[in-house]
Amino acid sequence: AQSVTQLGSHVSVSEGALVLLRCNYSSSVPPYLFWYVQYPNQGLQLLLKYTTGATLVKGINGFEAEFKKSETSFHLTKPSAHMSDAAEYFCAVSVRDSTLTFGKGTMLLVSP
Amino acid sequence: NAGVTQTPKFQVLKTGQSMTLQCAQDMNHEYMSWYRQDPGMGLRLIHYSVGAGITDQGEVPNGYNVSRSTTEDFPLRLLSAAPSQTSVYFCASSYQSANTGELFFGEGSRLTVL
Repeated sequence: AQSVTQLGSHVSVSEGALVLLRCNYSSSVPPYLFWYVQYPNQGLQLLLKYTTGATLVKGINGFEAEFKKSETSFHLTKPSAHMSDAAEYFCAVSVRDSTLTFGKGTMLLVSP
Repeated sequence: NAGVTQTPKFQVLKTGQSMTLQCAQDMNHEYMSWYRQDPGMGLRLIHYSVGAGITDQGEVPNGYNVSRSTTEDFPLRLLSAAPSQTSVYFCASSYQSANTGELFFGEGSRLTVL
């Protein structure tokens, strides 16, 4: 079975600083990988996804993530944080079946 | 464009009561699913469906029933509510199966069981 570990339940950055949210996965077969974002009192929305092909994936709002098979990682980055980026971020993994497994989430706090 | 609609948004139940959380989507998506979200636990899959008439269990199915009689609707039933079922419930759908498609989420239903 696949699993996801997100390092750090909370990450704090200053506005304009680099955002780095860590995600490591466990899977016995090539995975599909996702990042979702949840703003307060809302459902989740897809930021970006890796299925096949290029390992550097660009998403919405300036976020990107790189699939590194050797490190079993899919870390999310953004060069310059904005106040509007404050939200909870979830990494998720899936393999050939129809279910998506989510990590426990990382709350991103952005200070002025 | 409604997307995924969940009702009710808030509900308070007493232990032992039953209720149904409704989920409807207007995107003609084949795949629908229910997750629960608890603090520090992320989202956990309860049940899912890959098409009308087909349902399957996820990670935490105990205490919940589902049915899929139409493509549009995927209700979640709590037969005898327990305090452990206090949570925020999300319905999500996808045109493709969840592993290759984008999941579209409803806004959630917050359930409190006393």
